[in-house]
Amino acid sequence: AQRVTQPEKLLSVFKGAPVELKCNYSYSGSPELFWYVQYSRQRLQLLLRHISRESIKGFTADLNKGETSFHLKKPFAQEEDSAMYYCALSGESGNTPLVFGKGTRLSVIA
Amino acid sequence: ETGVTQTPRHLVMGMTNKKSLKCEQHLGHNAMYWYKQSAKKPLELMFVYSLEERVENNSVPSRFSPECPNSSHLFLHLHTLQPEDSALYLCASSQATRKAGFHYGYTFGSGTRLTVV
Repeated sequence: AQRVTQPEKLLSVFKGAPVELKCNYSYSGSPELFWYVQYSRQRLQLLLRHISRESIKGFTADLNKGETSFHLKKPFAQEEDSAMYYCALSGESGNTPLVFGKGTRLSVIA
Repeated sequence: ETGVTQTPRHLVMGMTNKKSLKCEQHLGHNAMYWYKQSAKKPLELMFVYSLEERVENNSVPSRFSPECPNSSHLFLHLHTLQPEDSALYLCASSQATRKAGFHYGYTFGSGTRLTVV
């Protein structure tokens, strides 16, 4: 069964400090991993996906198949990064629904 | 309007009422989804319509009934709900493909905040 675990409900960091939001997954095949973000009073939006190998708003995430992880990182947190972050997983076909983690609330303190 | 639009934004209904949630996407996607978002729980997949197929979800109570008349519109019909059904109901769309190893991800609507009294 597919499962996504985000162990931290809340993560508080100071502005300018590094950020790492943890995501671990359980899947027997080759997954596709995503990070979604929800800013206050806004809809869920795609932040990045591992297949694109891109950096969005300074965030990066590397798929580590050995550790079954897809942690989200940013070297210097900004106040506008405060939001809910959800990790999501899809199976090997582009036709399988996404499975989401419970989310981590990031609070960046000035 | 572009993107994924959900109406109404808020809905309060009694347990004996019948109501419907509507979702519309203007992205040309071929798959649409209903998710339930409750406090302290992950997003729960309720129903999927993808590549002209409906994917059943046997864990969803029959008081929720989806309808997808075409690839741009999705409804969730509600009847005799319970207070524990109060939640944010999210619609999403995507460009689904049977190609292995690639998923485009979802575009979400803003959701309908449902309160059952």
